[in-house]
Amino acid sequence: EPEVTQTPSHQVTQMGQEVILRCVPISNHLYFYWYRQILGQKVEFLVSFYNNEISEKSEIFDDQFSVERPDGSNFTLKIRSTKLEDSAMYFCASSVGGAPDTQYFGPGTRLTVL
Amino acid sequence: GQNIDQPTEMTATEGAIVQINCTYQTSGFNGLFWYQQHAGEAPTFLSYNVLDGLEEKGRFSSFLSRSKGYSYLLLKELQMKDSASYLCAVRDRGGGFKTIFGAGTRLFVKA
Repeated sequence: EPEVTQTPSHQVTQMGQEVILRCVPISNHLYFYWYRQILGQKVEFLVSFYNNEISEKSEIFDDQFSVERPDGSNFTLKIRSTKLEDSAMYFCASSVGGAPDTQYFGPGTRLTVL
Repeated sequence: GQNIDQPTEMTATEGAIVQINCTYQTSGFNGLFWYQQHAGEAPTFLSYNVLDGLEEKGRFSSFLSRSKGYSYLLLKELQMKDSASYLCAVRDRGGGFKTIFGAGTRLFVKA
């Protein structure tokens, strides 16, 4: 069964460094999403992406964040200058269409900012 | 504002039935989802409701009342592997399909 994959599974970085989290959505899916989950807290929407542009973003998704679909298979989240509070699990998700299609989540990347 | 409330924890016995409630107040509504999340893992889809009523899917059922801003997830014939967090999530009406998650209900299934 096709699935969303994410790399790396765990990323450790120093405060102020740039990180790029990578995702490969399910191949026939058209809508892509990033969520984050700080340890012990709820899943939070960051951004949705369709047709090579951002569809919607949350207040968390400030100028430090950017997303890109550099080729036909990858979907990336870049954090320009990481802060301690960016430490979280980052989940990528994809869906075939918009509502009401189900979003399928990848296994996540645990980002630790020191 | 956006608010989704669900109980923090519940405990039930193997083989029993448990109902997890969710109430929501969101600026828009375009469907309600239930996800299961085991510790350290990604959420996995369980059910979706956009119209009022009950949706049944094997051992899991989900109910929605839009006028009351209320949903529940019903789990039957509980198994030990059902011990997990259950996340209620509401999709916003906007074109970006923003999904707002509740904090989750941790279900403990005991023998």
